[in-house]
Amino acid sequence: KQEVTQIPAALSVPEGENLVLNCSFTDSAIYNLQWFRQDPGKGLTSLLLIQSSQREQTSGRLNASLDKSSGRSTLYIAASQPGDSATYLCALGGTASKLTFGTGTRLQVTL
Amino acid sequence: DTGVSQNPRHKITKRGQNVTFRCDPISEHNRLYWYRQTLGQGPEFLTYFQNEAQLEKSRLLSDRFSAERPKGSFSTLEIQRTEQGDSAMYLCASKQSTSGDEQFFGPGTRLTVL
Repeated sequence: KQEVTQIPAALSVPEGENLVLNCSFTDSAIYNLQWFRQDPGKGLTSLLLIQSSQREQTSGRLNASLDKSSGRSTLYIAASQPGDSATYLCALGGTASKLTFGTGTRLQVTL
Repeated sequence: DTGVSQNPRHKITKRGQNVTFRCDPISEHNRLYWYRQTLGQGPEFLTYFQNEAQLEKSRLLSDRFSAERPKGSFSTLEIQRTEQGDSAMYLCASKQSTSGDEQFFGPGTRLTVL
């Protein structure tokens, strides 16, 4: 059974700082990995999707990497802003595209 | 309609009552997924449909839960005889099976069982 761990559980950084969120997983037989953002009480917004054959994806200030052999992914956020405050979830795509999620990292970017 | 919609957004019910949630996926998407998210946790897979066929159900989906997608478009999730432990956010997602892997999520239905 796929186990997904996200560290840290919570993070507070000052505006402008670069930061890295970590995701580790136990089963490398994945089809893809997605990073999502979730605002309090809201649904999920997809940020980046990395196929299992890829090493990284970039979108604006976000860069996600995938290392299947070590069972790790990172989400790098450059020049953080208060609007980046949210919970960030990683999810592993398995058979039939079912997603297995981590518990998330709650990020707060302070002024 | 450019996204996944869910109704109602919030539902408060008393223990023992039945509740039904609706999900309208993106119109051309043939796959529809239901997930449940409890406070402080990531979403957990419940079930999914390809067109009108329910292809897989998680062990989390007890016999009090039933999901349907009768015409291969919208889906309903019914919970009978609700329990306090059913309190959670119920999320729906959709995708097109033949193109890409990205799932698109709706805003969720927040259920509170008193």
